[in-house]
Amino acid sequence: SQQGEEDPQALSIQEGENATMNCSYKTSINNLQWYRQNSGRGLVHLILIRSNEREKHSGRLRVTLDTSKKSSSLLITASRAADTASYFCAALLKTSYDKVIFGPGTSLSVIP
Amino acid sequence: EAGVVQSPRYKIIEKKQPVAFWCNPISGHNTLYWYLQNLGQGPELLIRYENEEAVDDSQLPKDRFSAERLKGVDSTLKIQPAELGDSAVYLCASSPVAGPNTGELFFGEGSRLTVL
Repeated sequence: SQQGEEDPQALSIQEGENATMNCSYKTSINNLQWYRQNSGRGLVHLILIRSNEREKHSGRLRVTLDTSKKSSSLLITASRAADTASYFCAALLKTSYDKVIFGPGTSLSVIP
Repeated sequence: EAGVVQSPRYKIIEKKQPVAFWCNPISGHNTLYWYLQNLGQGPELLIRYENEEAVDDSQLPKDRFSAERLKGVDSTLKIQPAELGDSAVYLCASSPVAGPNTGELFFGEGSRLTVL
């Protein structure tokens, strides 16, 4: 079963607006990652935040992590039509297997 | 540097037929993952290898699915016999670091299976 949950399931915004996606997980983690997937393609890594970090930036991406609430958010600023894709959070669980578990994803549509 | 290579990209078979997917990870990546992705959902882990050892196959339906990574490099995932519900995308990923320091996973383009 999936560990992560994301909301919203789908998000439609105008080009130039900011997009925020949220992810929640159920057990302790070592890190949390965000991936992007264009239709019919594989997943591409965007950013990783460790369990002892609270915020991280990479270009137009900002990720926050709240381990007390077991949640993370991904903010894409000044969105572009090319940002249209599905976005997944993935948690590296603190288990004996060091399992990487993905959430169900948020489908983002950026309208030109 | 070549990325993770998967083949075939697309496969259509009749139910009860066997099917196999192949994955060649990035050179030097000791950890290899097979994930299953249903339409509109996130990837679900099937099996993880450290070199040639399957260290986590708890989610692999062993009655019909099997996997191998004999020389610790490329890997094959097999389904026999295939069922209608197996229609999905099978994703392979690799990473250079394992354990609690696991970072970025590098994914292939996936193998899309359609079972008729």
